[in-house]
Amino acid sequence: RKEVEQDPGPFNVPEGATVAFNCTYSNSASQSFFWYRQDCRKEPKLLMSVYSSGNEDGRFTAQLNRASQYISLLIRDSKLSDSATYLCVVVSSGDKIIFGKGTRLHILP
Amino acid sequence: DARVTQTPRHKVTEMGQEVTMRCQPILGHNTVFWYRQTMMQGLELLAYFRNRAPLDDSGMPKDRFSAEMPDATLATLKIQPSEPRDSAVYFCASGHHGQTLYGYTFGSGTRLTVV
Repeated sequence: RKEVEQDPGPFNVPEGATVAFNCTYSNSASQSFFWYRQDCRKEPKLLMSVYSSGNEDGRFTAQLNRASQYISLLIRDSKLSDSATYLCVVVSSGDKIIFGKGTRLHILP
Repeated sequence: DARVTQTPRHKVTEMGQEVTMRCQPILGHNTVFWYRQTMMQGLELLAYFRNRAPLDDSGMPKDRFSAEMPDATLATLKIQPSEPRDSAVYFCASGHHGQTLYGYTFGSGTRLTVV
């Protein structure tokens, strides 16, 4: 099993719709979790951390399910500018950061 | 905004040549990572350092790749000799151990093409 797995997509979603991605991880001792966003030919940028209790930042909601070892990202009222690749990131106890291969999202006008 | 600086931004070289990529982490960050990104493999962790000491370089082909931190303001990644399969974007990222909730900041990357 890969350390971090994501559905590569692409997800083609009409503007204004809600879209959700999941990411599974294999190391139950993983300590920190993030979602990063990467635009074409750019570096990854932190979108949001994922807290155990779940957290929300505007239209974005992140959830962590330790029992099933997955994290999720929900985007509400999607905008054209949300089109990007979303990378799931898992950090081990030794600060080793593992990235998923990303989920491509296309918001359609 | 504090940023991670990588040089060069682009590099085209011939097979067999030595390539050196440089990274200046954010001042005060004590953890530095090197990643390689290709379409097929996504982001692969090559090596990372804490307080300038290498913690893990298991993702790096040892026969041709080497990573060092000569001082706290500079990390280098060298490939010698380079091969066409090394063509990729190489990212450096930095962060602070113990403040992982703030995530890690990436540089703009070095786009390497080996012909």
